[in-house]
Amino acid sequence: SQKIEQNSEALNIQEGKTATLTCNYTNYSPAYLQWYRQDPGRGPVFLLLIRENEKEKRKERLKVTFDTTLKQSLFHITASQPADSATYLCALDPRGGKLIFGQGTELSVKP
Amino acid sequence: GAVVSQHPSRVICKSGTSVKIECRSLDFQATTMFWYRQFPKQSLMLMATSNEGSKATYEQGVEKDKFLINHASLTLSTLTVTSAHPEDSSFYICSARDGATPDTQYFGPGTRLTVL
Repeated sequence: SQKIEQNSEALNIQEGKTATLTCNYTNYSPAYLQWYRQDPGRGPVFLLLIRENEKEKRKERLKVTFDTTLKQSLFHITASQPADSATYLCALDPRGGKLIFGQGTELSVKP
Repeated sequence: GAVVSQHPSRVICKSGTSVKIECRSLDFQATTMFWYRQFPKQSLMLMATSNEGSKATYEQGVEKDKFLINHASLTLSTLTVTSAHPEDSSFYICSARDGATPDTQYFGPGTRLTVL
């Protein structure tokens, strides 16, 4: 069956450290994968998109990798800050124009 | 950046009544809008895809007669939850796709529906 999975456990890290979140998928061949941030009671906010032919993409303190062989994407936040605390969602497009979301990983950055 | 608004942000209604939620793209034209539902601590689940001027396409298991979607213009889509029941209580989120960047969806802030 088709699945997209993220770390279900919350990730707690110290301010200044690098946070690494994982997104694994099975039985999909996505054209691209996206990462979103969601704060409680709010809609998701788009962060980064990485295509199947790209291995890595960066935006300020954010870095995303995409390994289509391992069927995995890693999302890194360097020099993390308490304001980075939120739930981070990965989503992929299974080539139908829709987005399929993972369940999200809650990140908590302690000062 | 592209902005999507939703109205209302919160609504409480009695069981059996109908509720309409609006989704607007404020600074771009959205040929396609999407409606999602999210239960607490769960992921976003796509309910339907709405294309301007045509009927919405519903995901498996979503009752089209219960969740009426209208996409009458390039900047407005509405979701009407008809004869709402407590199990319809959820967080409803719309998104819109900008023709200039078709791979990206821009999400609204969501509408919290509580059915008593």
